[in-house]
Amino acid sequence: GENVEQHPSTLSVQEGDSAVIKCTYSDSASNYFPWYKQELGKGPQLIIDIRSNVGEKKDQRIAVTLNKTAKHFSLHITETQPEDSAVYFCAASPRGITSYDKVIFGPGTSLSVIP
Amino acid sequence: EPEVTQTPSHQVTQMGQEVILRCVPISNHLYFYWYRQILGQKVEFLVSFYNNEISEKSEIFDDQFSVERPDGSNFTLKIRSTKLEDSAMYFCASIRQLNTEAFFGQGTRLTVV
Repeated sequence: GENVEQHPSTLSVQEGDSAVIKCTYSDSASNYFPWYKQELGKGPQLIIDIRSNVGEKKDQRIAVTLNKTAKHFSLHITETQPEDSAVYFCAASPRGITSYDKVIFGPGTSLSVIP
Repeated sequence: EPEVTQTPSHQVTQMGQEVILRCVPISNHLYFYWYRQILGQKVEFLVSFYNNEISEKSEIFDDQFSVERPDGSNFTLKIRSTKLEDSAMYFCASIRQLNTEAFFGQGTRLTVV
């Protein structure tokens, strides 16, 4: 089955700097890659996603890139702010096949933005 | 904004007891899921549910687990005889239709003592 790895497990950045989180996946059938932000006491919340027919997607300060050949995908947050501090999960899902859209999560990255 | 609601937020139970975790998915959603996260580990898929039946389950979801949609709004996860290793955060999620965004609840922290 699918296995998603994520690095680093913890990341501290100064406010205003960029943060990059990298993930790899194992199943070439995965075609949908969401990123979730989890704040303390809350469930995962989707912040951005990318599908396998796209190499890059941007939404304001957040961007994701996908390299299907290498099975790598990354999250980039620019101009970080203290409210970006949270745990970030990458995930993979083989949508459109018989998986009923289950999501396989990476282990998470705890991001701390230092004011 | 519509949201997935889970109750209780924290449940403490004795080993061997049955627990029911409750979820109210978003009202027009059709696909429902349970995930769990043992402290310090990954969020893991447990089960998906559609059209009043299980559509897929992981190897974690053994005979001790069951899911039900007893009425038009609730979606429950039952653990028949809890073990210490069932202690985890349990998340419910729902999607409106396939290939759309999944919405997660805030989770229920289950502690088995």
